[in-house]
Amino acid sequence: NAGVTQTPKFQVLKTGQSMTLQCAQDMNHEYMSWYRQDPGMGLRLIHYSVGAGITDQGEVPNGYNVSRSTTEDFPLRLLSAAPSQTSVYFCASSYSPSSYNEQFFGPGTRLTVL
Amino acid sequence: GQQVMQIPQYQHVQEGEDFTTYCNSSTTLSNIQWYKQRPGGHPVFLIQLVKSGEVKKQKRLTFQFGEAKKNSSLHITATQTTDVGTYFCAGLRGGSNYKLTFGKGTLLTVNP
Repeated sequence: NAGVTQTPKFQVLKTGQSMTLQCAQDMNHEYMSWYRQDPGMGLRLIHYSVGAGITDQGEVPNGYNVSRSTTEDFPLRLLSAAPSQTSVYFCASSYSPSSYNEQFFGPGTRLTVL
Repeated sequence: GQQVMQIPQYQHVQEGEDFTTYCNSSTTLSNIQWYKQRPGGHPVFLIQLVKSGEVKKQKRLTFQFGEAKKNSSLHITATQTTDVGTYFCAGLRGGSNYKLTFGKGTLLTVNP
């Protein structure tokens, strides 16, 4: 059981470039989510999904797209990177969004946008 | 939107002293969760509280959920250097709202 995996671990982009952060879980969890963590700001929800084919916006969705074609994968796409998107990105999953929903976090992706 | 305020932002203690962090929500919560993040690591789930007035203990850690289900606290007795990290609360409003809202966290440092 690998849990929640994220790739890459580190990434440097130039302003305007696009990229996809990968997230996968092997626990058959329904609920998956993306957070960004900035110093002093805690974890802010970007997008989440309650099951394959269903996604919704979180607190800070602008500049990011997601899709959920399978239960296992939940990629996060940056359409046109901006310096304000420099952050640490965490993917998380849980069995269900509404009942006992301990969230399992991946190791994170540290993104720098120049 | 829903806001979760957490205080203090930082706390430095001597090893053996107690530590408490507090969490307040602007709305009633269906449950509240607590996570710990070690420096350079990812958040790790500690506990979930669901019932009004609930108190749960994990060794030296005591978690409380307020009667109105709008506030919570985490108390650590006799801190150890292994307790170092940032402690986050996260609230879920419930119903059809699946957005978990995190507080900004309390960074605990422990002087040996």
